[in-house]
Amino acid sequence: AQSVTQLGSHVSVSEGALVLLRCNYSSSVPPYLFWYVQYPNQGLQLLLKYTTGATLVKGINGFEAEFKKSETSFHLTKPSAHMSDAAEYFCAVSAGGTSYGKLTFGQGTILTVHP
Amino acid sequence: DAGITQSPRHKVTETGTPVTLRCHQTENHRYMYWYRQDPGHGLRLIHYSYGVKDTDKGEVSDGYSVSRSKTEDFLLTLESATSSQTSVYFCAIRGTSGSNKETQYFGPGTRLLVL
Repeated sequence: AQSVTQLGSHVSVSEGALVLLRCNYSSSVPPYLFWYVQYPNQGLQLLLKYTTGATLVKGINGFEAEFKKSETSFHLTKPSAHMSDAAEYFCAVSAGGTSYGKLTFGQGTILTVHP
Repeated sequence: DAGITQSPRHKVTETGTPVTLRCHQTENHRYMYWYRQDPGHGLRLIHYSYGVKDTDKGEVSDGYSVSRSKTEDFLLTLESATSSQTSVYFCAIRGTSGSNKETQYFGPGTRLLVL
């Protein structure tokens, strides 16, 4: 079984400030971890993913995340927020091929960016 | 762009009527998924398919059925729609090779309102 907890359903930052969106997971097997972004009235777009290898992964739009097995975390960061980053962000976990790739999502975090 | 389309994009229906949503993909992906998105719940898996005529239940499958008679189409049916099935429905495919491996790509979604 697997689960995802996103800490904070709403996060508000000023433009230019650090963005930190928190994600903790549980998984009985080595996890594959994903961050998706959803802009209003659109589908989900992949930001970045961790499957194997380097634990610090870089994604699109200047975002990155670090897989920390000991903390069961996969927090998303961006050094400097831009107005265009305002969206809803979802963390997700899968057990890869052993589970037919089924994803379990967190409840989402809405990011607001103030001028 | 993973070549995923969903139809219809919007639908209003009445309680007790049957509804079928269609997901169409153009890239011969083996794995396809149906999720529903509700505020505070993120996305939850309804059903998934791992090949033609091969389907299985997800986390929230009650009241839904699926069919996959050819690779490119995955149909989701609400046999008798209820107000609790008002939601946004997303179809996804899973990449299986190269940089797309283990990654799910999502369609644009279908907004369903059951009155």
